[in-house]
Order: sequence, then structure tokens, then C-alpha cells
Amino acid sequence: DAGVTQSPTHLIKTRGQQVTLRCSPISGHKSVSWYQQVLGQGPQFIFQYYEKEERGRGNFPDRFSARQFPNYSSELNVNALLLGDSALYLCASSGGLAQETQYFGPGTRLLVL
Amino acid sequence: SQELEQSPQSLIVQEGKNLTINCTSSKTLYGLYWYKQKYGEGLIFLMMLQKGGEEKSHEKITAKLDEKKQQSSLHITASQPSHAGIYLCGADNQAGTALIFGKGTTLSVSS
Repeated sequence: DAGVTQSPTHLIKTRGQQVTLRCSPISGHKSVSWYQQVLGQGPQFIFQYYEKEERGRGNFPDRFSARQFPNYSSELNVNALLLGDSALYLCASSGGLAQETQYFGPGTRLLVL
Repeated sequence: SQELEQSPQSLIVQEGKNLTINCTSSKTLYGLYWYKQKYGEGLIFLMMLQKGGEEKSHEKITAKLDEKKQQSSLHITASQPSHAGIYLCGADNQAGTALIFGKGTTLSVSS
């Protein structure tokens, strides 16, 4: 069975640009969460979507937005990129809304120059 | 807000040796997860612990949850080079909708 997939694997952008990252959950999973991991730190929670609705939001600015589609795939958008947005962006899926094991994708490495 | 502290931050062990990684929470643990990460890659789920005193094992890795101490430990027996990587503990937030992670423990195994 396919695991969580993310695209693209790597991305280079310049400051001020916008970026869209994509995630496909494990088949049958309805919840998708996004995390940001900077070098040397653990992942930081950005958003959770369940059944196409935002169910949780971490402490990130409004430049970060996301959505979930009817097939449960998801996109994370970041506007007006800053150098500090350079990180590994991880997508995780789980079967339900709360207290279920989250399975992570391979991540998208974003570099902002 | 809840914080998870992992110790040690990094360690180097000789192949065949045992080791323990600790994860301590600043608040009550509702669910504790252990993941392994190769540098720059995604997280691989290892184990989930929910109840105080719970202990789970997978191959040579054992994890325990001490609910009273708000602490979990991960023990690797007879380490192998394949065990090398970054070990992360994560805890459910109170709503159970997000994971809070420690900073990770980097394990190197020398042969």
C-alpha cells in the first residue's frame, strides 16, 4: 500500500515569492496535518484538516494557508516567503480526527534565497 | 504550552551496546509517540504509548511510559548501524489533534 506522498521533493524560491506544496494521504485516511521542521528542531504543527475542514492551527502567520480536497489530498500555501521559511515541510495523515497515529510523508525541502 | 525535553541530545555508541533515550513532558501525557528520522527525510512511526506503565517492543526497541513522571524512555538492545538516525518523541496536544515534538536525539552507531 502506498504511504503518504508529497510533491515536490525539493524547491528553491526567492524572498517574496509564493509556494504551493502538495500531499496525498494514505488511502482511507481522512485527516491531513502539516508540520514545519527547521534544522536541528522537532517538527512544529501548522494545520490539521479533517473532512475538508480546518480543525487545528498552530502558531504560524496568516501567510500560511491550506486546504483539503474531496479526495482528502491537501495543499499548503505560503505567501510572501521569508528566509526563515526555509525548512522541511512534512505532511502526515491519520484515519480519524483525534489521538490517532499520524503517518508522515518524505517531506518537501524548501529553500528560500 | 506543553514542551517535551529529550535527553541526551546526541550519543555515539559502539555496535552491540545498549542505549536509552528519555523524553520528559512539562504537562500530562495523553498519548506518546516515538518516531525515527533519517537526516532530511520523513518520520517513520515506531510505537505509541497511551497508558501509564505501558510497555511496547518491536524487534530490539522497547518503549515505556511512566505517566506519573510524565516521562517515556526508548531502549535499544544490541545496537546496530541500522539503528542510527534521529529519534523523536511526540505527544498529543490536549485536543488530540496535533503532535508536539521534542528536539530529537541523534544516534550514531560505530562498527
